Amino acid sequence: QKEVEQDPGPLSVPEGAIVSLNCTYSNSAFQYFMWYRQYSRKGPELLMYTYSSGNKEDGRFTAQVDKSSKYISLFIRDSQPSDSATYLCAMPPGSSNTGKLIFGQGTTLQVKP
Amino acid sequence: DTGVSQNPRHKITKRGQNVTFRCDPISEHNRLYWYRQTLGQGPEFLTYFQNEAQLEKSRLLSDRFSAERPKGSFSTLEIQRTEQGDSAMYLCASVRDTEAFFGQGTRLTVV
Repeated sequence: QKEVEQDPGPLSVPEGAIVSLNCTYSNSAFQYFMWYRQYSRKGPELLMYTYSSGNKEDGRFTAQVDKSSKYISLFIRDSQPSDSATYLCAMPPGSSNTGKLIFGQGTTLQVKP
Repeated sequence: DTGVSQNPRHKITKRGQNVTFRCDPISEHNRLYWYRQTLGQGPEFLTYFQNEAQLEKSRLLSDRFSAERPKGSFSTLEIQRTEQGDSAMYLCASVRDTEAFFGQGTRLTVV
């Protein structure tokens, strides 16, 4: 079993839809939770990160962490064709080396106009 | 552009040849990481530097791989005697606090 699991999709939605992307993890010691967006043939770019449980909102994006269930989500409101990309969840195994990330497989999202 | 820069962007090499990639991190970031990403998978950690010191290496980093960061600035990743299984995207990231900033990667194809 991988430490971080993510459904690879692909996920296809119409423009304007609300998108829900999810990851599960196995290590209850994880404290930081990141979401990266990766366009085809590009490097990942950080979208959001949260510490511990709760919600964090940034524009059309909301990150949610449920540590009791070891489950994190990223919601995209009013999705746009430009949101079409692969979304990767990532977690550092320790708080002292937050650049060493364990990534999920990534979910490919396509937003159709 | 003050982001992370990686060169070359693409490299095609014959099996058995040596290749070297370069990463120029964001100047004020003292931690630098190398990752490998294969098609349809998330990036996997290879190694990291704090300034010029290489502090950790993944077991994915076989003895054919070597990384350096002289003077704590740019870093190089060398693969000796390349194999077809080395074909992947090699990503570099520089880190400030909890945020890792990735470069565009070097896509290696071994034929």
